Amino acid sequence: GQNIDQPTEMTATEGAIVQINCTYQTSGFNGLFWYQQHAGEAPTFLSYNVLDGLEEKGRFSSFLSRSKGYSYLLLKELQMKDSASYLCAVPSRGGYNKLIFGAGTRLAVHP
Amino acid sequence: GAGVSQSPSNKVTEKGKDVELRCDPISGHTALYWYRQSLGQGLEFLIYFQGNSAPDKSGLPSDRFSAERTGGSVSTLTIQRTQQEDSAVYLCASTSGRGNSPLHFGNGTRLTVT
Repeated sequence: GQNIDQPTEMTATEGAIVQINCTYQTSGFNGLFWYQQHAGEAPTFLSYNVLDGLEEKGRFSSFLSRSKGYSYLLLKELQMKDSASYLCAVPSRGGYNKLIFGAGTRLAVHP
Repeated sequence: GAGVSQSPSNKVTEKGKDVELRCDPISGHTALYWYRQSLGQGLEFLIYFQGNSAPDKSGLPSDRFSAERTGGSVSTLTIQRTQQEDSAVYLCASTSGRGNSPLHFGNGTRLTVT
C-alpha cells in the first residue's frame, strides 16, 4: 500500500524561505507530485519529480530522494498569496495516474 | 472548455435525498477522476474513468454512490439516500491519460447534508 506523511501546519514570514517535507512509502515508485490549494479553490499542479535531485521553477523548487522516500517543496521570497495548503501525492500502481494524496500542509505566511 | 467545470458549486440537501453532481472535463481529456475532500482532510480517491468505462471504482464508500460517464466527456456522480457523513467537497479532475500528466481539478461541489 501507500502512505504519505506531511506536517499539518507551518507558519513563515513574508520574504523568508520555507521547506515543506513529505515522506512516502509506496510499492513501485512512479514519481511524486506537489499541488497547491488555496482555501475553497481547486488544487493546482506545482511540480512533478521522478528522478533524484532538485527541480527549480521560479520561486518554487522541489527535491526528491527515492532511496530515502523523501521529498520537499522549497518556497523562496515568500508572499502573502503563498498562504495555502500544499499537497504531496504519488501515483498508485496500475499505470493510470490515480494519485494518492497526503493530508496536506497548511502554510500561513505572516507580514 | 478551458478548464474542468463542476456543478453545482454548492448543494445543501436533506438527509435521505438523492443528489447528482456533474463534471465537465477539459476537452479531449480521456481520463477522469472523482475525489472527495472532507474538512481538514486530504483528497480521497473515489473512482477513475478511462473513456466511458470505470476500471477502478475501489474508492466508492458504499453502494449508495455511483458514477457514470457518457460520450467520453461529462460525468455525473450520484449519491442516493444521503447521510450527514457524505458532507464534503467533491472534486473532479481530468488528464490527457498520457504518462504521468498532471491532474487538472475543477473547483468542486460543496455538499452539505442536513
